[in-house]
Amino acid sequence: DAGVIQSPRHEVTEMGQEVTLRCKPISGHNSLFWYRQTMMRGLELLIYFNNNVPIDDSGMPEDRFSAKMPNASFSTLKIQPSEPRDSAVYFCASSPSGRPYNEQFFGPGTRLTVL
Amino acid sequence: GQNIDQPTEMTATEGAIVQINCTYQTSGFNGLFWYQQHAGEAPTFLSYNVLDGLEEKGRFSSFLSRSKGYSYLLLKELQMKDSASYLCAVRDRGIKAAGNKLTFGGGTRVLVKP
Repeated sequence: DAGVIQSPRHEVTEMGQEVTLRCKPISGHNSLFWYRQTMMRGLELLIYFNNNVPIDDSGMPEDRFSAKMPNASFSTLKIQPSEPRDSAVYFCASSPSGRPYNEQFFGPGTRLTVL
Repeated sequence: GQNIDQPTEMTATEGAIVQINCTYQTSGFNGLFWYQQHAGEAPTFLSYNVLDGLEEKGRFSSFLSRSKGYSYLLLKELQMKDSASYLCAVRDRGIKAAGNKLTFGGGTRVLVKP
């Protein structure tokens, strides 16, 4: 099993540019989560999907952030325009259903730096 | 909403035992998770509790008291590789259909010294 795949692993961009982060969940998992982690705020849930449908996007900071899941094997998180305060590590996680505890499996993360 | 509290940092000696406490407040408790996160890496699942009591898994054990809104993670026979952050996370049933949303505490950084 390849695990959750994220790309790019590192992204450095300038303020105002568009940033797109990509995620491939583990095959067969039907829930997908986008998190952001910073020293100040810890690990925060941005949005999650169940069967490709967005269920809860209350953690999305503002309209500059958007997420899509066009099919079961791919999701994107887009920031447009990016700002320095968006600098963080962004994790994608997936989880199965039908198991006792449905733990979430995290990808390696994308470290985003906005200058 | 949810409120999850855990100590920021703990230090222990190799071979010793460390207990990391987590207190939480939630409206629709549906399980508590512990994750381990080494510096620069992704969180990895350690344990899950949904009923009161102790769950043991090798050197790691996790305890839950739902009435007290309290959990702890016990790390025994500490090894240097156990130096990491340990994240407590609570799952809430929520008001939406798929209740698989986790809220994470700020994490406890454990430093194991020789």
